[in-house]
Amino acid sequence: DIQMAQSPSTLSASVGDRVTITCRASQNINSWLAWYQQKPGKAPKLLIYKASSLESGVPSRFSGSGSGTEFTLTISSLQPDDFATYYCQQYSTYPVTFGQGTKLEIK
Amino acid sequence: QVQLVQSGAEVKKPGSSVKVSCKASGGTFSNYAISWVRQAPGQGLEWMGRIIPFLGIPNYALKFQGRVTMTADKSTSTAYMELRSLRSEDTAVYFCARDFHSGTYLHAFDIWGQGTLVTVSS
Repeated sequence: DIQMAQSPSTLSASVGDRVTITCRASQNINSWLAWYQQKPGKAPKLLIYKASSLESGVPSRFSGSGSGTEFTLTISSLQPDDFATYYCQQYSTYPVTFGQGTKLEIK
Repeated sequence: QVQLVQSGAEVKKPGSSVKVSCKASGGTFSNYAISWVRQAPGQGLEWMGRIIPFLGIPNYALKFQGRVTMTADKSTSTAYMELRSLRSEDTAVYFCARDFHSGTYLHAFDIWGQGTLVTVSS
């Protein structure tokens, strides 16, 4: 199975900050990577697919980059609604696997 | 806009089975794969497998092979996930999720059900 390692596990930041979350794959997944946001008690929400494509309706402050084994999710200016847990997911190969999650907390 | 609506919460005894449903409304069902993803309390996301309704052929994560069955009823636009031989570690919220694009390739998941809590307890 392809292992997905996210860092950091927890991130404390303030409204207006620029934050970056990293996701590393244990082998080459080309650009077959998605990012999701999850709030407590809710289903995950797709933010980014194919490493850098913004899902319709997602604010432009979210961006994704990378290919191969290293990927990043950047939020350019944190808003109060962005405090949540973020997951990366590879869909290059079966089985689909997720990173362990990054909890974004208010500083 | 397509919506996925799941069945309600379940409480099961160890060793029993549970069957969760996921009904699609508002769009095409058969051509899009439906995956099942679970989340234990306070934990991350775990993919269990998927099925493409028009093919009817599931693909399961190795961890669940032999214990899970995924099916789809095209006539009612409903996908099902049955998990057998339940143990306490199966206590989790179970989500269904639809592929972003139709077809047989793997895709990101753009539409999710609301989740179904399955509690396994004696």
